[in-house]
Amino acid sequence: EPEVTQTPSHQVTQMGQEVILRCVPISNHLYFYWYRQILGQKVEFLVSFYNNEISEKSEIFDDQFSVERPDGSNFTLKIRSTKLEDSAMYFCASRATGVYEQYFGPGTRLTVT
Amino acid sequence: GIQVEQSPPDLILQEGANSTLRCNFSDSVNNLQWFHQNPWGQLINLFYIPSGTKQNGRLSATTVATERYSLLYISSSQTTDSGVYFCAVPQGGSEKLVFGKGTKLTVNP
Repeated sequence: EPEVTQTPSHQVTQMGQEVILRCVPISNHLYFYWYRQILGQKVEFLVSFYNNEISEKSEIFDDQFSVERPDGSNFTLKIRSTKLEDSAMYFCASRATGVYEQYFGPGTRLTVT
Repeated sequence: GIQVEQSPPDLILQEGANSTLRCNFSDSVNNLQWFHQNPWGQLINLFYIPSGTKQNGRLSATTVATERYSLLYISSSQTTDSGVYFCAVPQGGSEKLVFGKGTKLTVNP
């Protein structure tokens, strides 16, 4: 069964550094999402992406964040200058056209020290 | 925005027991998903169930959209069922999923 994959599974970075989290959505999916979960809290929406554009973003998704589909298979989330409060689990999701179900990847645990 | 309430917040079972988890939501939805977050933090899709009933092995789910709730049933629970169970629904007019706070399930041997 096709699945969403994410790399790395765990990333440790120092405050102020840039990080790029990578996702490979399911191959025929055209809608992409990033969510995050701070330890012990709810999963929160960050951004949705379709047709090479951001279609919706949350208040969390400020100028420090950006998303990109650099090629036909990858979908990335970049945090330009990480802060301690960016430490969280980041989940990528994708869905197919005409289907509402979002398929989630296993997540990347980001630790900012 | 839409409110999602899950109950109970915590549940402790002995292996082999059955359980029912509930998800209430405050507005009409066209999508409802159940997830299991394992002890490693991974989110696993369980069900896409905007209405009706589905079954997958020992797990089944029922959504009564007109009454704005969904139930997740776990039968003959196993220690590997431990983790947090989330339901999520879309915010009205949006694709973003709004998650509940989850039910933390502990299954003891």
